[in-house]
Amino acid sequence: KQEVTQIPAALSVPEGENLVLNCSFTDSAIYNLQWFRQDPGKGLTSLLLIQSSQREQTSGRLNASLDKSSGRSTLYIAASQPGDSATYLCAVWADTDKLIFGTGTRLQVFP
Amino acid sequence: ETGVTQSPTHLIKTRGQQVTLRCSSQSGHNTVSWYQQALGQGPQFIFQYYREEENGRGNFPPRFSGLQFPNYSSELNVNALELDDSALYLCASSPYRGSEKLFFGSGTQLSVL
Repeated sequence: KQEVTQIPAALSVPEGENLVLNCSFTDSAIYNLQWFRQDPGKGLTSLLLIQSSQREQTSGRLNASLDKSSGRSTLYIAASQPGDSATYLCAVWADTDKLIFGTGTRLQVFP
Repeated sequence: ETGVTQSPTHLIKTRGQQVTLRCSSQSGHNTVSWYQQALGQGPQFIFQYYREEENGRGNFPPRFSGLQFPNYSSELNVNALELDDSALYLCASSPYRGSEKLFFGSGTQLSVL
């Protein structure tokens, strides 16, 4: 049974710091891996999708890496801003129709 | 804005009652997935509907059921509510089955007392 774990559960940093959020999964037979952002009272917004054949994806200040063999992914946020404050969820596509989510990392960036 | 709307935004029910949650898909999307997110947890897959048929189901009992209509909007029905059903229920639409492009609604917060 696929399980997704995220560390740390919560993180509070001053503005401008570079951050690394970690995600691990137990079964390396995944289709793809996706990082989402969730703001309070709102749904999920997709940040980055890494295909199973890829090693990383970048979008602006965000960079996500994937190491299937070790069952790990990291989300790197450069030069953090208060607007980055949110919960970040890692999810793996266990098949083509179902996402399995981690419990998330709650990030607070203070000025 | 994702174009996926859910109603109602908040709901309070008592144990044993039945509830219906609604989701309007983004225009052109024929696939809808429902997820349950308990407080402090990640979302859990309930089921997916594609062209009005259930296309996959997570580890949820039969009292969780759904419908998809010809216009691809969807309903989630939960019978015999239990306290543990209290959660945020998220709907996500995608343009076709197997697409990784999921667009989530803001969710319905259900409280069971």
